Amino acid sequence: ELKVEQNPLFLSMQEGKNYTIYCNYSTTSDRLYWYRQDPGKSLESLFVLLSNGAVKQEGRLMASLDTKARLSTLHITAAVHDLSATYFCAVDYTGANSKLTFGKGITLSVRP
Amino acid sequence: EAEVAQSPRYKITEKSQAVAFWCDPISGHATLYWYRQILGQGPELLVQFQDESVVDDSQLPKDRFSAERLKGVDSTLKIQPAELGDSAMYLCASAGSSYNEQFFGPGTRLTVL
Repeated sequence: ELKVEQNPLFLSMQEGKNYTIYCNYSTTSDRLYWYRQDPGKSLESLFVLLSNGAVKQEGRLMASLDTKARLSTLHITAAVHDLSATYFCAVDYTGANSKLTFGKGITLSVRP
Repeated sequence: EAEVAQSPRYKITEKSQAVAFWCDPISGHATLYWYRQILGQGPELLVQFQDESVVDDSQLPKDRFSAERLKGVDSTLKIQPAELGDSAMYLCASAGSSYNEQFFGPGTRLTVL
């Protein structure tokens, strides 16, 4: 059974500082997705990482994938309040039918 | 911009009643998913359709939940009878590419009293 672990589960960030959050998974996979969820809202797709060494950047967020270590990182540069949300990683356990297994999510809170 | 549509957005019902949720995926997306998200958790897959066929419903509580996608376009998820533990956000997602990037609808927040 695929397990996806995210840590930390909650992170209080100071505006302007850099942070990194992590996503570990237990089974070989080369497809990993990051989503953002604001309170009471649905999930917004942030990044699609499809191979070992993949790196994607959008604004202050940069995601990378190391399939050998079964690890993805999401790096936040100069945190701003607008980044406060819950971030989920999801791994595609590709068998006969692709489906996503989600982590529990990391809630980021940016304080002045 | 194409979006996944869901209705209703909110539903309050009493236990033992029947409820139904509707989802209209992005046009052309062959794969449709229903997820349940309990507060503080990640989404959990209930059922996956490829066109009109169910390809995975291993986590669907079939004694009370049913899902259909008769014409391979929109889909309905039904719960009968609803139980207190069914209170959650029900999310629909669709995917159209081989990369399986899933696009989520706004969700239906179900509260069972």
